Amino acid sequence: QVQLVQSGTEVKKPGASVKVSCKASGYTFTNYGVNWVRQAPGQGLEWMGWISPYTGNTNYPQKLQGRVTLTTDTSTATAYMELGTLRSDDTAVYYCARDRPATVGSDYWGQGTLVTVSS
Amino acid sequence: DIQMTQSPSSLSASVGDRVTITCRASQVINNYLAWFQQKPGKAPKSLIYTASSLQSGVPSRFSGSGSGTDFTLTISNLQPEDFGTYYCQQYNSYPLTFGGGTKVEIK
Repeated sequence: QVQLVQSGTEVKKPGASVKVSCKASGYTFTNYGVNWVRQAPGQGLEWMGWISPYTGNTNYPQKLQGRVTLTTDTSTATAYMELGTLRSDDTAVYYCARDRPATVGSDYWGQGTLVTVSS
Repeated sequence: DIQMTQSPSSLSASVGDRVTITCRASQVINNYLAWFQQKPGKAPKSLIYTASSLQSGVPSRFSGSGSGTDFTLTISNLQPEDFGTYYCQQYNSYPLTFGGGTKVEIK
């Protein structure tokens, strides 16, 4: 069965960086993209970017350009999201999701990783 | 960026009711519209893709319709387990964008 298992809770200070992992299983990792989405406490969903494990191509929202970096390791079927220069408003639950653009979209999601940014 | 406007922001309905949630895109999105259900403390769950296709394993009481810029999620025969917040998302073009959510409560 398809599973996306994310790394655990992180607590960071303002200005630091965080790297969240998302390990995929149950499907061919390079056949699907990976979206990253975050959700601040009590708020809605915000798309953070997309990566193709097959090509390494990425797409980021302008708001996060220069602060977010998506990568993958195809040998371990793991996707990574690194967010730098953290601020308090980056406190959120971060999700990865398997994605097939122009078809089923984001069909399977990880369990989420809470990142708290606090001094 | 494409703006997604959902309504209502919340609703309360009884078991067995038919519930309708609407989503409007600020421009045509070629039916690349998805619906998600999220329960408190859990990840979103995909219900519908390409506006009207049901994800595998999703009960048939959920249905999606619409085209162009106007879309609808309908839950017929509302069940107690259908509480939660529902989001629409366009994936026609980057940046992907979500509606603000509709919180569904069971009376």
